[in-house]
Amino acid sequence: EVQLVESGGGLVKPGGSLRLSCAASGFTFSSYSMNWVRQAPGKGLEWVSSISSSSSYIYYADSVKGRFTISRDNAKNSLYLQMNSLRAEDTAVYYCAREAVSSTSCYDYWGQGTLVTVSS
Amino acid sequence: SYVLTQPPSVSVAPGQTARITCGGNNIGSKSVHWYQQKPGQAPVLVVYDDSDRPSGIPERFSGSNSGNTATLTISRVEAGDEADYYCQVWDSSSDHHVVFGGGTKLTVL
Repeated sequence: EVQLVESGGGLVKPGGSLRLSCAASGFTFSSYSMNWVRQAPGKGLEWVSSISSSSSYIYYADSVKGRFTISRDNAKNSLYLQMNSLRAEDTAVYYCAREAVSSTSCYDYWGQGTLVTVSS
Repeated sequence: SYVLTQPPSVSVAPGQTARITCGGNNIGSKSVHWYQQKPGQAPVLVVYDDSDRPSGIPERFSGSNSGNTATLTISRVEAGDEADYYCQVWDSSSDHHVVFGGGTKLTVL
């Protein structure tokens, strides 16, 4: 069974940093591109970042470019999101999502999410 | 940047057919994916590549895409279908930007 479990969320002050993790199991993690998608309270879904299976290709939404860094450790079946210079508008539930092999940017499995709150 | 437009809400009686639209410039040339999200839960993929269904998704869920509008159709709507639905595409014209629609709240009357 495919499982994605996020961790690392919490309360952080504006300008602070946080590192999110996503532990994957039930599939060959190293064969899949992975993504972070966020959802502000009461709002819609927003794509944040994508990383290819071997980390060769990395992309960011304009809203986080230069502040967030996506990475992965295939030996540990883990995905990460380093978030720096956090702003109030980064407050959201952050989901990690697996990208289907057969379809670009189609997210076939999602974690349950971890809440990040940026507030003084 | 590419914009996807969804109606904020759609209401339908049980047993009827719900149609949720997703508008975008020449969206018919892109692959559209649809997600269902119930309160407090993660999104679930219900249709991908315009009209394909993942395993485990009922045949009542179907999709189409042409011109400037993609449509998610839910036949024989059940109370359990009440949820938010999001369309999504990959905007190949930009730097790998993934775009979601604003979401549609489906209410089963």
